[in-house]
Amino acid sequence: AAGVIQSPRHLIKEKRETATLKCYPIPRHDTVYWYQQGPGQDPQFLISFYEKMQSDKGSIPDRFSAQQFSDYHSELNMSSLELGDSALYFCASSFSRGKGVETQYFGPGTRLLVL
Amino acid sequence: GIQVEQSPPDLILQEGANSTLRCNFSDSVNNLQWFHQNPWGQLINLFYIPSGTKQNGRLSATTVATERYSLLYISSSQTTDSGVYFCAVERGGGKLIFGQGTELSVKP
Repeated sequence: AAGVIQSPRHLIKEKRETATLKCYPIPRHDTVYWYQQGPGQDPQFLISFYEKMQSDKGSIPDRFSAQQFSDYHSELNMSSLELGDSALYFCASSFSRGKGVETQYFGPGTRLLVL
Repeated sequence: GIQVEQSPPDLILQEGANSTLRCNFSDSVNNLQWFHQNPWGQLINLFYIPSGTKQNGRLSATTVATERYSLLYISSSQTTDSGVYFCAVERGGGKLIFGQGTELSVKP
């Protein structure tokens, strides 16, 4: 079965640089979520999109932005990177019909290291 | 906001042993999922279980929504069961709120 695809899987950046993470949800899923997991921490919700519209927002820094495109893939753009942005970034998708009560399936994550 | 507490925080087992992991949550939820995060960082869905009992092989889970807790049972543990087990709940809007996890180590 098709799974959530994330790219790249690993990324190394310098402080103050920009990074773009990509997510391709499971086909026919209408909702995409982004989570950030710091070292030794649990995943924290950043932002979500339902049918290409932002549906919820968590503790996402102003330096980060995200969008969902017409083909349902999503991108998380991170600017002015800081050392504390080093983390595992997960994308998840679900077929929620806007209700948010269905199983979320997680991608393999992008491991970002900021030097 | 809602609080999600998992216990125990750490667990060491001998291969073949059974274990029970617990997840308490402080308010009513629409959704509850259990995940296994393997040593490579992948988050693997185990159960979607807002209420009731489910079984999948050596794993089973029970959620008692009225009492605000869920249990994950692992029987005949194997070394490949090692990793962190997360419980996550959803109260509306879709975002999952995770507990701090239980780190399981299964020794051969």
